[in-house]
Amino acid sequence: TQLLEQSPQFLSIQEGENLTVYCNSSSVFSSLQWYRQEPGEGPVLLVTVVTGGEVKKLKRLTFQFGDARKDSSLHITAAQPGDTGLYLCAGPNQAGTALIFGKGTTLSVSS
Amino acid sequence: EAQVTQNPRYLITVTGKKLTVTCSQNMNHEYMSWYRQDPGLGLRQIYYSMNVEVTDKGDVPEGYKVSRKEKRNFPLILESPSPNQTSLYFCASSLMSLPSHEQYFGPGTRLTVT
Repeated sequence: TQLLEQSPQFLSIQEGENLTVYCNSSSVFSSLQWYRQEPGEGPVLLVTVVTGGEVKKLKRLTFQFGDARKDSSLHITAAQPGDTGLYLCAGPNQAGTALIFGKGTTLSVSS
Repeated sequence: EAQVTQNPRYLITVTGKKLTVTCSQNMNHEYMSWYRQDPGLGLRQIYYSMNVEVTDKGDVPEGYKVSRKEKRNFPLILESPSPNQTSLYFCASSLMSLPSHEQYFGPGTRLTVT
């Protein structure tokens, strides 16, 4: 069974701090996606990483896909209150029929 | 505007009363899917559809039905709802039939079954 484990589950920080969220699995994934979900809304895609070792940057967010394609991380530099939300990692199942989601990291950034 | 719409957004019902949650996308996407989101369990797939008239079970299909008669619509049917189906439901779609493509999610339907 393919599982994605995210850590930490909750993170509460002050504006301006840096943070890293992790997404780990014992299975190899062909790609991983990161979504952000705000209260009352559906998840919205932030990035897709495909190649082992790949690093993608989206403004203050840096995403990395592990060399073995079993893990990924999301680093936020100088967090802002607008970064508050639920961050989800997801990867396709082996059949290619569904996305498997991690349980998410709830981030709260206070000013 | 490209979007996935769901109706209703909120629903309180009683055990056993059949209900349908509608989902519609205006992006001509082939792949559509239903998820439920529960605290501590995350997002779990209920059913998916690769194209019109092609549907299949996800991880938690018990108690649910779907249909895909038109490309844009993918309704979720609860024939006899039970309290354990109280959850937040999301419909999603993507351009191609592989979920590695970006999934566009609807705004969610919060269902309470008493």
